[in-house]
Amino acid sequence: SQQGEEDPQALSIQEGENATMNCSYKTSINNLQWYRQNSGRGLVHLILIRSNEREKHSGRLRVTLDTSKKSSSLLITASRAADTASYFCATPRGPNEKLTFGTGTRLTIIP
Amino acid sequence: GAVVSQHPSRVICKSGTSVKIECRSLDFQATTMFWYRQFPKKSLMLMATSNEGSKATYEQGVEKDKFLINHASLTLSTLTVTSAHPEDSSFYICSASRYGYEQYFGPGTRLTVT
Repeated sequence: SQQGEEDPQALSIQEGENATMNCSYKTSINNLQWYRQNSGRGLVHLILIRSNEREKHSGRLRVTLDTSKKSSSLLITASRAADTASYFCATPRGPNEKLTFGTGTRLTIIP
Repeated sequence: GAVVSQHPSRVICKSGTSVKIECRSLDFQATTMFWYRQFPKKSLMLMATSNEGSKATYEQGVEKDKFLINHASLTLSTLTVTSAHPEDSSFYICSASRYGYEQYFGPGTRLTVT
């Protein structure tokens, strides 16, 4: 079974609206991370939330974590065209903290 | 933030040839580097983890003899795709970390095997 599944798989919204993406995972974690990937590019680390945290903010980003439901959400407020990208959640596991990525959400912001 | 580079950014090679991709941490010493593979519109799949000076640890299903990884220094890891075939065409991304949870990703290398 896959660690880290996101929904929706794709999301299109109007510029200025809020975008919410969800991530579910299966095993226990000590932190969960969100990344952004522009088309054909590498990943950019957005935010890390630890297992003892329930909510975290960074600029227009708000991340929540519910360890009882093994789920996390990423909210982007007041979306901009530049937010168009794929967003992935990732959880570290094992020594060296190698990451397992979710399936990703492709977000399109319509100007 | 920390910068990781990859070279080349794009490469086209003929079937049967080998291709080397470099991953460099430019402004920090990476104790661990990771190699991922990504198919179009899909997620990243970890191929292997490499620590400087030791053999890489490959994920299940990844052929060690096909994807050779060398982590010669704290700032350089290389991935060599040997005897490449069209099914090896993909986007290869490396990342580097230093003792912590955060990984810094390279911009990726698009490999096309004809």
